[in-house]
Amino acid sequence: AQKITQTQPGMFVQEKEAVTLDCTYDTSDPSYGLFWYKQPSSGEMIFLIYQGSYDQQNATEGRYSLNFQKARKSANLVISASQLGDSAMYFCAMREGENAGNMLTFGGGTRLMVKP
Amino acid sequence: DAGVTQSPTHLIKTRGQQVTLRCSPKSGHDTVSWYQQALGQGPQFIFQYYEEEERQRGNFPDRFSGHQFPNYSSELNVNALLLGDSALYLCASSWTGRAQFFGPGTRLTVL
Repeated sequence: AQKITQTQPGMFVQEKEAVTLDCTYDTSDPSYGLFWYKQPSSGEMIFLIYQGSYDQQNATEGRYSLNFQKARKSANLVISASQLGDSAMYFCAMREGENAGNMLTFGGGTRLMVKP
Repeated sequence: DAGVTQSPTHLIKTRGQQVTLRCSPKSGHDTVSWYQQALGQGPQFIFQYYEEEERQRGNFPDRFSGHQFPNYSSELNVNALLLGDSALYLCASSWTGRAQFFGPGTRLTVL
């Protein structure tokens, strides 16, 4: 079974509008971390935001926020006020256990395209 | 503060050859992980090195091996290259912080 599922292969958003990228996960480990990474065409994976399984509040980092719904096992990324530079692939990933170096399991990604 | 660096940027090899990719972790990081990203897919975990030992391994054959040096830098070696090994190889480093930080990757093409 897929551990990380991203159901939106591609999405368009108008510049300056907000967009939500979906991610669902599957794990039986009570301790886990959820991550979002951005991958521009250059290839580098850029860390955006992290949510721990025990965190009480949804994570926020600037224009990025993570809508964490533990019971539904979803961790959607919300980007507010989209910019042209936000056009890229976005990957949701999960780490099981508490060790920061534990393997990350990635979803298939969502390609976001921001329209001017 | 230098981030994760990888070399070379691009590499072209032929089937059956061997290749070595290199990674220097972010300053202060002691754990290095390697990922393979085929075109159009998410990265797949190859293995992780900590204290110069392989600590975790993904579902990759023994043709994939690695090493970590005392300065925490790491190498990924792939023997007997196959066409299917063509991919972007990403190195990530971490410490006790929450996230793994990735380098720019090495794009390997096997002809």
